[in-house]
Amino acid sequence: ILNVEQSPQSLHVQEGDSTNFTCSFPSSNFYALHWYRWETAKSPEALFVMTLNGDEKKKGRISATLNTKEGYSYLYIKGSQPEDSATYLCARTGRRSQGNLIFGKGTKLSVKP
Amino acid sequence: DGGITQSPKYLFRKEGQNVTLSCEQNLNHDAMYWYRQDPGQGLRLIYYSQIVNDFQKGDIAEGYSVSREKKESFPLTVTSAQKNPTAFYLCASSGGVGTEAFFGQGTRLTVV
Repeated sequence: ILNVEQSPQSLHVQEGDSTNFTCSFPSSNFYALHWYRWETAKSPEALFVMTLNGDEKKKGRISATLNTKEGYSYLYIKGSQPEDSATYLCARTGRRSQGNLIFGKGTKLSVKP
Repeated sequence: DGGITQSPKYLFRKEGQNVTLSCEQNLNHDAMYWYRQDPGQGLRLIYYSQIVNDFQKGDIAEGYSVSREKKESFPLTVTSAQKNPTAFYLCASSGGVGTEAFFGQGTRLTVV
């Protein structure tokens, strides 16, 4: 994998459903993996930054895991609410080119009441 | 209030003119970034800077230039060499590699 890839591209769920997204990234020269939430008409906001293989982070109903050896991260939302509707972005920093934060195209989540 | 400010929010320019987008932060962050977003695309990195007086090209630097003379400021110039300049531009800053980035509100540039 050369780029940061996210799937699915979009997701429509009902309120109360749990959901998860995938971020795949080059595993070589990995330094950090970021997750951001981007709501319409707002700026992206950080959810998590993870660096270690096996890292798991949680913020309320949202959690993320990281596998640096195989190059993927999962973001989970438990019991989706309409206010969770947003685009979720992941981004990677590589060790060799430290500082260049490369984003995937995002997963757009819509939660229906 | 600490934050990152981009101005203006909307910008219109005639084809062939250079235009400079402003990005200022008072977060005392060392790293700053410029991204471009087009419809259906993700955020693509134009330039980034890890420290004052130093910056690196991102994936789509052609037709753009930057400067980093002060820690707080990272202006982006869209030159006439940029073939498709109409886009949404986002500036971000972070405390360094592996720390979360903070974003400005963005500038929507339209070239007519």
